[in-house]
Amino acid sequence: DTGVSQNPRHKITKRGQNVTFRCDPISEHNRLYWYRQTLGQGPEFLTYFQNEAQLEKSRLLSDRFSAERPKGSFSTLEIQRTEQGDSAMYLCASSSVSGATDTQYFGPGTRLTVL
Amino acid sequence: DAKTTQPNSMESNEEEPVHLPCNHSTISGTDYIHWYRQLPSQGPEYVIHGLTSNVNNRMASLAIAEDRKSSTLILHRATLRDAAVYYCILPNAGGTSYGKLTFGQGTILTVHP
Repeated sequence: DTGVSQNPRHKITKRGQNVTFRCDPISEHNRLYWYRQTLGQGPEFLTYFQNEAQLEKSRLLSDRFSAERPKGSFSTLEIQRTEQGDSAMYLCASSSVSGATDTQYFGPGTRLTVL
Repeated sequence: DAKTTQPNSMESNEEEPVHLPCNHSTISGTDYIHWYRQLPSQGPEYVIHGLTSNVNNRMASLAIAEDRKSSTLILHRATLRDAAVYYCILPNAGGTSYGKLTFGQGTILTVHP
């Protein structure tokens, strides 16, 4: 197992287009998180799944954003009608919940540029 | 999440120890203290976590104050590869100590050759 992978690594799109990102977590990790990071800021939480259930969504996640984890394995994050303000690094992390706390392992991120 | 306070930046020389402080005066009894770091152009990376006792792993040591209102991440011999933003985080959701991470500004560590 080589860790969390994300595809694509870079995406350039025009305003108004839809984009979809994929995250493949570490095998058997039951939790999967999405974060967004803009330049000079720390990552901000967007949403997370436990298995296939989406348990929490941030207020940052507008109606144009949707995330799925259909079989409890990989996840997709779709942004519809992209805006220039959506330009950011989108990070995925996975963890295995056992015990009183968990450790999140992050992927390399997908950098989105909206022109 | 309980709030944490860290210095904006710190500097160190290569091969010297580095002590990165974090204040978390509103920590609750079940909050674990986690440290992550983010190297340039990479996703965050887990460093270490602890609850009450000091912790050591291959990357660093975590010293936790007796009242748990502060902690210090210790890099015993800084290398150029340790230059990163270091985040002190107390995950907390519904009384558990796991879940979403709330990243603050972190401490930018610069290591001089």
